[in-house]
Amino acid sequence: EAQVTQNPRYLITVTGKKLTVTCSQNMNHEYMSWYRQDPGLGLRQIYYSMNVEVTDKGDVPEGYKVSRKEKRNFPLILESPSPNQTSLYFCASSLGNYQPQHFGDGTRLSIL
Amino acid sequence: QQQVKQSPQSLIVQKGGISIINCAYENTAFDYFPWYQQFPGKGPALLIAIRPDVSEKKEGRFTISFNKSAKQFSLHIMDSQPGDSATYFCAAGLGGATNKLIFGTGTLLAVQP
Repeated sequence: EAQVTQNPRYLITVTGKKLTVTCSQNMNHEYMSWYRQDPGLGLRQIYYSMNVEVTDKGDVPEGYKVSRKEKRNFPLILESPSPNQTSLYFCASSLGNYQPQHFGDGTRLSIL
Repeated sequence: QQQVKQSPQSLIVQKGGISIINCAYENTAFDYFPWYQQFPGKGPALLIAIRPDVSEKKEGRFTISFNKSAKQFSLHIMDSQPGDSATYFCAAGLGGATNKLIFGTGTLLAVQP
């Protein structure tokens, strides 16, 4: 089954404790992105990747890091999380321009 | 310039009625306009999409109307069903190397039986 898998689905943690949210896709897609979803703000792109070792900032990259060492994986790293990063996070992958973005089921992060 | 404005924020429609959600954009470089549907606890999923070379696209009960001169596009859901109750996001894409989408703020649709 074609899918984007995120882990964990839920996480409650404390300010400053490094965390990683994993994302894996099995569709051999080149494009992958991370979004955060906040009430009244819709989905905002954090980082995206066009291929292995090629990543770039989206609209809200501050406080986040990403890496793309393998085509299927695109982890999101919060090195020193803060409460304003409490949000619902989605990973997405796509075959290319004008193609559907396939989203994972989301990771709800609460940072106390 | 990069924003996509979506309205209404929420919508209640009776079963069998027509649901209409509107979006507007400023950047004329956008050349791809998808609509995504999101159910609680799930990620958004592509519903229907349009390119600016056509003014309307229909797939089943879902229709996108696109007005290039007004820089507006809308989603019409005909014969709305309770199973259509979800959050709907419009988006605008720039294509190119980034495959970037700018999303609207979402519309929570409730279809009453």
